[in-house]
Amino acid sequence: EVQLVQSGAEVKKPGESLKISCKGSGYSFTSYWIGWVRQMPGKGLEWMGIIYPGDSDTRYSPSFQGQVTISADKSISTAYLQWSSLKASDTAMYYCARQDSSSSKIDYWGQGTLVTVSS
Amino acid sequence: SYELTQPPSVSVSPGQTARITCSGDALPKKYAYWYQQKSGQAPVLVIYEDSKRPSGIPERFSGSSSGTMATLTISGAQVEDEADYYCYSTDSSGNHRGVFGTGTKVTVL
Repeated sequence: EVQLVQSGAEVKKPGESLKISCKGSGYSFTSYWIGWVRQMPGKGLEWMGIIYPGDSDTRYSPSFQGQVTISADKSISTAYLQWSSLKASDTAMYYCARQDSSSSKIDYWGQGTLVTVSS
Repeated sequence: SYELTQPPSVSVSPGQTARITCSGDALPKKYAYWYQQKSGQAPVLVIYEDSKRPSGIPERFSGSSSGTMATLTISGAQVEDEADYYCYSTDSSGNHRGVFGTGTKVTVL
């Protein structure tokens, strides 16, 4: 069974750093892209970027380039999303999702990680 | 940047047909995907590659695409279909950069 299990909810202060994780299981982790999707409170889904754990090829949405860093450790089948300096506007639910390497199909999603940034 | 535009809301009575459109310039060359998101839950894929239905998705969900518009149709909508629906596709750069549509709230009452 394919599963993407994300790390737990976080409460941070503005200016702090953060790294959240997404662990894949039940499939070949290095053969699919892993993407990150933001959903701000009451708002729609926003595609942030993807990484191919097989070779760490990473693509970002222009809206998120330079704002976050996506990485992966294929030895433990885990992808990461990190911020070096959080802002209140980073408060959102963040989902990881598996994306097919030959098409654009996003077929499995993590349960989401709620990040709250507040002073 | 590339955008996919959807109507903000669609309302139907139970048993009626709901149609949700998604407009984007690259859709003639790129597949559309549709996701259902119920309140407090992660999205679920309901249509992929314009018109294919994943296993476990009811037959009342169907998809089509023509030119710059993709359409998700719910034939005989049920109360449990009330949710937000998002189309998804990639831009024409060939770099796997994705984009979600603006989202449509479907109300069944």
